[in-house]
Amino acid sequence: AQKVTQAQTEISVVEKEDVTLDCVYETRDTTYYLFWYKQPPSGELVFLIRRNSFDEQNEISGRYSWNFQKSTSSFNFTITASQVVDSAVYFCALNIGGATNKLIFGTGTLLAVQP
Amino acid sequence: KAGVTQTPRYLIKTRGQQVTLSCSPISGHRSVSWYQQTPGQGLQFLFEYFSETQRNKGNFPGRFSGRQFSNSRSEMNVSTLELGDSALYLCASSLRDNNEKLFFGSGTQLSVL
Repeated sequence: AQKVTQAQTEISVVEKEDVTLDCVYETRDTTYYLFWYKQPPSGELVFLIRRNSFDEQNEISGRYSWNFQKSTSSFNFTITASQVVDSAVYFCALNIGGATNKLIFGTGTLLAVQP
Repeated sequence: KAGVTQTPRYLIKTRGQQVTLSCSPISGHRSVSWYQQTPGQGLQFLFEYFSETQRNKGNFPGRFSGRQFSNSRSEMNVSTLELGDSALYLCASSLRDNNEKLFFGSGTQLSVL
């Protein structure tokens, strides 16, 4: 069975702090894709990153960075120097590959960045 | 380029009624999928369409159905509404049908009284 676990329900930080959002996934498939989406109060989910199971390179995009480790089945997301605009719910999701865009989502982490 | 458009934005229905939600994907996108979001169950996959064909269906009762038209627009229908169907229904589109990043609409907030 496929599953995504985001153990942190809520995180509160003060602006400029670094914060890491954890994501652990389960799948027996050898080909799969991992995603992070952000859901601001407006409701629509916004794509942040996609990573396939064969690419364990870490990625950095501005203040965002992602650490993918197959050995621990984790795909963690770090925001450096957090800002109030980063406040949102963040979802990690799994796609098992093949001709489908179906996503299995984690329960999300609510990040509150205080000024 | 316009984003994914979902109508209506809010809907209030009573138990036993039926409802139809609409989704217009980004121009050129042929894949449309639907998700239900509730505080208790989180984000759950409903169905996925590509070129008018249903590719996948989530674990929902037969009261939930959908379709996709030749212009890629999609509708989902829920018949015999129950209180537990109250949720945010999100539509997403993408260019192709394999492992693509999804573009989401703002959703339809359905309240069943």
